[in-house]
Amino acid sequence: AQTVTQSQPEMSVQEAETVTLSCTYDTSENNYYLFWYKQPPSRQMILVIRQEAYKQQNATENRFSVNFQKAAKSFSLKISDSQLGDTAMYFCAFMKLHNDMRFGAGTRLTVKP
Amino acid sequence: GAVVSQHPSWVICKSGTSVKIECRSLDFQATTMFWYRQFPKQSLMLMATSNEGSKATYEQGVEKDKFLINHASLTLSTLTVTSAHPEDSSFYICSAQTREVYNEQFFGPGTRLTVL
Repeated sequence: AQTVTQSQPEMSVQEAETVTLSCTYDTSENNYYLFWYKQPPSRQMILVIRQEAYKQQNATENRFSVNFQKAAKSFSLKISDSQLGDTAMYFCAFMKLHNDMRFGAGTRLTVKP
Repeated sequence: GAVVSQHPSWVICKSGTSVKIECRSLDFQATTMFWYRQFPKQSLMLMATSNEGSKATYEQGVEKDKFLINHASLTLSTLTVTSAHPEDSSFYICSAQTREVYNEQFFGPGTRLTVL
């Protein structure tokens, strides 16, 4: 079974600064997908970024980027130029091809003005 | 595109009654739908996976007779909480997957269930 671990229950960052959220996972699969989701107070799950395991290049989406270390089974999220609207719960998730998602416990990020 | 809706968004019911939650894919055909439960300040826990036209597959510890899942069409899945009790109060989220888009799930906005 796949497990996803987020070891930082809470993080805070000053507006305009950079913050990194950690995630590790355990799997015996070779092909899979990793995700970071944002869940604001509305509780709608919002996809932040996706990484395919077969791609060596780290995914980037504007201010969001990941550091994907396949051998170490590590998948961290870096948020640059943090904005107040980035305040939310962030979940790391693992998914096999056409399969269900497994989520980490989440990290509550607070961006301070 | 790829919009998933849930209805109702919030429901309050009395203990012992049944509640049905609908999950619809509005602009695509969902071959697989997933139901998650999220308790306050916790993560999403998978309850069951349903494929159109077949019986749902439940995660260990999830009571099949209590949480009835029906995926009768490619755009609709329903979760019925039977004989609800206060401990069933939670946030229920569905997600949908298509055969064509293999690397993503599309999430509904969730349903808050409160059992009095």
